Amino acid sequence: GAVVSQHPSWVICKSGTSVKIECRSLDFQATTMFWYRQFPKQSLMLMATSNEGSKATYEQGVEKDKFLINHASLTLSTLTVTSAHPEDSSFYICSARDRLAVYNEQFFGPGTRLTVL
Amino acid sequence: DQQVKQNSPSLSVQEGRISILNCDYTNSMFDYFLWYKKYPAEGPTFLISISSIKDKNEDGRFTVFLNKSAKHLSLHIVPSQPGDSAVYFCAANTQGGSEKLVFGKGMKLTVNP
Repeated sequence: GAVVSQHPSWVICKSGTSVKIECRSLDFQATTMFWYRQFPKQSLMLMATSNEGSKATYEQGVEKDKFLINHASLTLSTLTVTSAHPEDSSFYICSARDRLAVYNEQFFGPGTRLTVL
Repeated sequence: DQQVKQNSPSLSVQEGRISILNCDYTNSMFDYFLWYKKYPAEGPTFLISISSIKDKNEDGRFTVFLNKSAKHLSLHIVPSQPGDSAVYFCAANTQGGSEKLVFGKGMKLTVNP
C-alpha cells in the first residue's frame, strides 16, 4: 500500500514552454500533497503544499505564478512549470499524506527529472 | 535556521556490521520523527518513524532511538547490507500542527561488501 506515482518520470523541453507533472496516490486518498525540488547533492526543498479543493500554500521564495499547482481530486495533484527556463531544471518530487492516517507519514513519488534546454 | 541537522554527510561501514545514523533537532515542539531512504534519481522511501511518547521503535533490521532531553535521534541498521547504501534523511513534524515535514540535509551511507 501507500503508493504514489508521478508522470512523466523525465521530460526535456525547450526554454519558454510549460511542463505539467502529475502526482497520483494510487491506493489511498490524499487531502494534502506536497511538492519538493531537489538540486544535486542537496536536501529536499519544499516548494508548496497542495490542498484538495483549495489553493496551494507556497513556501517563501517560490513563485506561485511560475509553479502552478492544482489539486482537483483526492488522488491527483499537478504541478505546472510555466515558461520554463534552464534554471528550472531540477528533480521534482511529490509526496502525499493519507487522509486517514493518524500520523504525518508522507509517501513519495519516484520523482520527475526536468531538463530545460 | 536549520531545525533538523544531520551533521555527518557520509558514513561507510562493512557489510554485516552496524550502521548508526544520527540526527539532532532544535525545535522542542517536534513530536514525530521519520527516517527516509533515497536512491539517486528516485523519490524517498519511508523507513521507520517514532512518536515522542516512545524512546525506541524497531522494525526488522531498523531501530530508531529517540532521546528527547538531548533532542537527538538515531537510526540503527543491523546487520548492514550493500543494498542499504543510499542517502538517508531524517525528518520531523509537530502532530496537530502543520503537516509539513522538516528534513535534514541527508547522510550518504555506503555499505561495503
